[in-house]
Amino acid sequence: QKEVEQDPGPLSVPEGAIVSLNCTYSNSAFQYFMWYRQYSRKGPELLMYTYSSGNKEDGRFTAQVDKSSKYISLFIRDSQPSDSATYLCAMSKTSYDKVIFGPGTSLSVIP
Amino acid sequence: EAGVTQSPTHLIKTRGQQVTLRCSPISGHTSVYWYQQALGLGLQFLLWYDEGEERNRGNFPPRFSGRQFPNYSSELNVNALELEDSALYLCASSFRTSGRNEQFFGPGTRLTVL
Repeated sequence: QKEVEQDPGPLSVPEGAIVSLNCTYSNSAFQYFMWYRQYSRKGPELLMYTYSSGNKEDGRFTAQVDKSSKYISLFIRDSQPSDSATYLCAMSKTSYDKVIFGPGTSLSVIP
Repeated sequence: EAGVTQSPTHLIKTRGQQVTLRCSPISGHTSVYWYQQALGLGLQFLLWYDEGEERNRGNFPPRFSGRQFPNYSSELNVNALELEDSALYLCASSFRTSGRNEQFFGPGTRLTVL
């Protein structure tokens, strides 16, 4: 079993839809959770950063962490064509440990 | 503020050759991480340097090596290149003592091994 699993997609939604992206993980020691967005042939860009369980909102993006279920989610409201990218979840055990990335979910937002 | 920079942007090598990739972190960041992203695969952790020391290493053979300089920039060396080394090599930096493990990525170096 991989440490971090993520549905690779591709996920295709119409503009304006609410998008839900999810990851599951196996190691309960993970405490720090991140979401990155990666456009084609570019480096990943940090979108959201959360510590432990709970929700965090930033504009159209909401990150949720459920440590009891070992499940994290990223919600995108009012999705835009510019949101079309690969979304990578990532997590680490400590604030300075190596970060483990999920394989990424490819999202296309259709105008 | 300048982001993480990497050079070169693209590189074409043949099997058996050696390659050196370079990374300059964000000013003030002391940690540098290297990742390999092969086509269709996720980011695979390669190496982590902090304050000039190798702190952790991923599951890669010894022909992948690197170092970090006193100015916190870093090099990744790959010896005896193999076809499967073709990938996007990403460097990220962070401020280790910030209490937040936020890594900021450069644009990557795309390596093609023929």
